[in-house]
Amino acid sequence: QKEVEQNSGPLSVPEGAIASLNCTYSDRGSQSFFWYRQYSGKSPELIMSIYSNGDKEDGRFTAQLNKASQYVSLLIRDSQPSDSATYLCAVNPLTGTASKLTFGTGTRLQVTL
Amino acid sequence: DGGITQSPKYLFRKEGQNVTLSCEQNLNHDAMYWYRQDPGQGLRLIYYSQIVNDFQKGDIAEGYSVSREKKESFPLTVTSAQKNPTAFYLCASSIDQGRFTDTQYFGPGTRLTVL
Repeated sequence: QKEVEQNSGPLSVPEGAIASLNCTYSDRGSQSFFWYRQYSGKSPELIMSIYSNGDKEDGRFTAQLNKASQYVSLLIRDSQPSDSATYLCAVNPLTGTASKLTFGTGTRLQVTL
Repeated sequence: DGGITQSPKYLFRKEGQNVTLSCEQNLNHDAMYWYRQDPGQGLRLIYYSQIVNDFQKGDIAEGYSVSREKKESFPLTVTSAQKNPTAFYLCASSIDQGRFTDTQYFGPGTRLTVL
């Protein structure tokens, strides 16, 4: 069973701080990794994708990938109250002929004033 | 505007009824997907389709059916055989399955409640 694990939280950080969200996955052959943000009652929206080991930065967001440790993380700098949401980690194992994503259960982030 | 639309936003069903959820995209994406999300759980794949007139079962296909007669449309029918259909249903699409860079984008979702 291919799995993606996330701490459900809530992760509480003060406004302006760095939020660190973590995700581990079981399929060592996984090729691509995605972070989605989901506000309560809404659908997931793509934040970042990452395919190679190392860091990838986009504005206040940085995704970090370590395939040897089977670990992917998302850092949010200068956290804002509008960042309060559930963050879903998704992994594409690319087995067979279809690119089917496996999702974690999400980490709920609360940014406090 | 390009995007994915789902209708209705809210749907109420009586036990024993079949209902159909609509999903349309104008992104010219080849692949389309249906997921189900329950409170506190991740998204679970119901069905997916890579091309017109072809679709594959996902992890939880029992009690559901789909069709893909047009590239733009991928309706999902929740049948009376689905024992616990109350959930948030999400449709997604992507450009090209089979590439590791393929990225899925989601519609706004349909919340189904069984009365």
